[in-house]
Amino acid sequence: DTGVSQDPRHKITKRGQNVTFRCDPISEHNRLYWYRQTLGQGPEFLTYFQNEAQLEKSRLLSDRFSAERPKGSFSTLEIQHTEQGDSAMYLCASSLEQRNINEQFFGPGTRLTVL
Amino acid sequence: TQLLEQSPQFLSIQEGENLTVYCNSSSVFSSLQWYRQEPGEGPVLLVTVVTGGEVKKLKRLTFQFGDARKDSSLHITAAQPGDTGLYLCAGEPGHFGNEKLTFGTGTRLTIIP
Repeated sequence: DTGVSQDPRHKITKRGQNVTFRCDPISEHNRLYWYRQTLGQGPEFLTYFQNEAQLEKSRLLSDRFSAERPKGSFSTLEIQHTEQGDSAMYLCASSLEQRNINEQFFGPGTRLTVL
Repeated sequence: TQLLEQSPQFLSIQEGENLTVYCNSSSVFSSLQWYRQEPGEGPVLLVTVVTGGEVKKLKRLTFQFGDARKDSSLHITAAQPGDTGLYLCAGEPGHFGNEKLTFGTGTRLTIIP
């Protein structure tokens, strides 16, 4: 396991369809994060897990978005009834809980295009 | 209001020149990280600074954390085309951090051969 992996790398969907993305973190990392990045901006925090518990959700995460990490390993992010405004790069990151330092390692991202 | 302001937004210089990019905030950060991101890829962690006034070097890259832990700079010496990319600073606001990272809008650097 050499890093965070995400699948798929690219997803094109029609407005109104549901999509699901998967993230596999670095194996010994207990924290997993989802971010969204639009063109010309830095990543924006969506949600994070410590083991299987979802500890924080951003107000950016509308009711159409749901994330899970059922066994504390991989995570899925589902978007229901996609809208054109959901088009973005969805990034997953993982980290090992350490005092005072939160070094997050990112995956390659899933680029979502909603037509 | 952007919590972390990066400047300049865009920078295009000749190979071999030196450059500095800045990351500023009015808030204190428990730690601050610098990432480089290439088109279509996720950010890659370059360095983490934790202590006020800390200086870290990574080959031709020098990173500094401000004494008050509110700002940081990245200096590149003798820039090379491989340095081209989007440089992002990110940190955990507060004296003790709060798990999620807040990112700046980035500096897009282009090194011309």
